[in-house]
Amino acid sequence: SQQGEEDPQALSIQEGENATMNCSYKTSINNLQWYRQNSGRGLVHLILIRSNEREKHSGRLRVTLDTSKKSSSLLITASRAADTASYFCATDLSNTGNQFYFGTGTSLTVIP
Amino acid sequence: EAQVTQNPRYLITVTGKKLTVTCSQNMNHEYMSWYRQDPGLGLRQIYYSMNVEVTDKGDVPEGYKVSRKEKRNFPLILESPSPNQTSLYFCASSPHPWGILISNTGELFFGEGSRLTVL
Repeated sequence: SQQGEEDPQALSIQEGENATMNCSYKTSINNLQWYRQNSGRGLVHLILIRSNEREKHSGRLRVTLDTSKKSSSLLITASRAADTASYFCATDLSNTGNQFYFGTGTSLTVIP
Repeated sequence: EAQVTQNPRYLITVTGKKLTVTCSQNMNHEYMSWYRQDPGLGLRQIYYSMNVEVTDKGDVPEGYKVSRKEKRNFPLILESPSPNQTSLYFCASSPHPWGILISNTGELFFGEGSRLTVL
């Protein structure tokens, strides 16, 4: 069964706007990671947030984690056309730590 | 350049013809894993390996085999491919799975993918 689910499935915004996508998961985790995938290409790691962290920043990315709600959000500020991609959250379960579960992804389109 | 290399990138084959998708990483990573990506299903883990000679099943291992005889290589073997194995396959590696507990390592490095079609 799917551990993580992203919401929305698709998002279309204008360049310069902020993009927010959410991830919900089902069981306790060690950490949560966000990945980006350009069409048909390999996934690229964006940011990792540990279960004892609530917020993390990296450049134009801001990630939050709410373990009580089992959810995370990824905010991309001042979006660019080059941000057009699919974004996935990945979790590893706290009782194993060696299997990563990916959601189905959010497809982001940034219109120039 | 640090990378995960998969071959072949594209393959069309027929039902029952054994094939191997190779995966090699040059980062001395202990952890390696195979995923398949299908529309609407995201990435699902097939097999993973914590180290040489240590492999374990992921969520969808049926119809696949793996081996880890060397640290850098983790081939995926389809002994008798079937059409339902038509998919986009990704190999990934990570420095150390337990590193996630003590540091900010644990990110996965992905190959560029292998698109397999089984007729």
